[in-house]
Amino acid sequence: DTGVSQNPRHKITKRGQNVTFRCDPISEHNRLYWYRQTLGQGPEFLTYFQNEAQLEKSRLLSDRFSAERPKGSFSTLEIQRTEQGDSAMYLCASSRDQVEQYFGPGTRLTVT
Amino acid sequence: LAKTTQPISMDSYEGQEVNITCSHNNIATNDYITWYQQFPSQGPRFIIQGYKTKVTNEVASLFIPADRKSSTLSLPRVSLSDTAVYYCLVGDVENRDDKIIFGKGTRLHILP
Repeated sequence: DTGVSQNPRHKITKRGQNVTFRCDPISEHNRLYWYRQTLGQGPEFLTYFQNEAQLEKSRLLSDRFSAERPKGSFSTLEIQRTEQGDSAMYLCASSRDQVEQYFGPGTRLTVT
Repeated sequence: LAKTTQPISMDSYEGQEVNITCSHNNIATNDYITWYQQFPSQGPRFIIQGYKTKVTNEVASLFIPADRKSSTLSLPRVSLSDTAVYYCLVGDVENRDDKIIFGKGTRLHILP
């Protein structure tokens, strides 16, 4: 199965530490998206890339958050100086067209 | 982006047809209607998308009346494995509006 993969699946970190998540999209997909989801809520859009260009960022993406997609393939999402409010599921999705986004299994972040 | 309103939760029984209605009174001319399904601890999965009238695939049907101010996702003969959260989304697909706005979705619980 060559679906969207995310690593790690779970991350526990202490407040103030930096964390980095990786997303590997489906290989022929040129668009890649990051979302954040907290319990009982729908996913919230964070940012998206078309190839290596970051085209849109949500206001949710504070200056502690940065995302990259250096070669238009995999992407990383880094959170600096984590806070307890950053605890959530971080979802990555990719698409080739605008009809359907394929989501990965997510990375669950717990900040203690 | 047009806002959507869906029931917070629904219960049904195995073998029944389930209809989930979504209101989107401010839908724009270029907006499409898309439904996603999400199981616990997984990313959302695309179910169906439509613009008007009726769309059917192997999983579900989507009914959209002429005024497009609402839509109904129909799941035929549900099983226990259809227990999930279902999200209705509205967005301008053709004009590269890739940002998907999820609401809280409808939590569907299928009973034996």
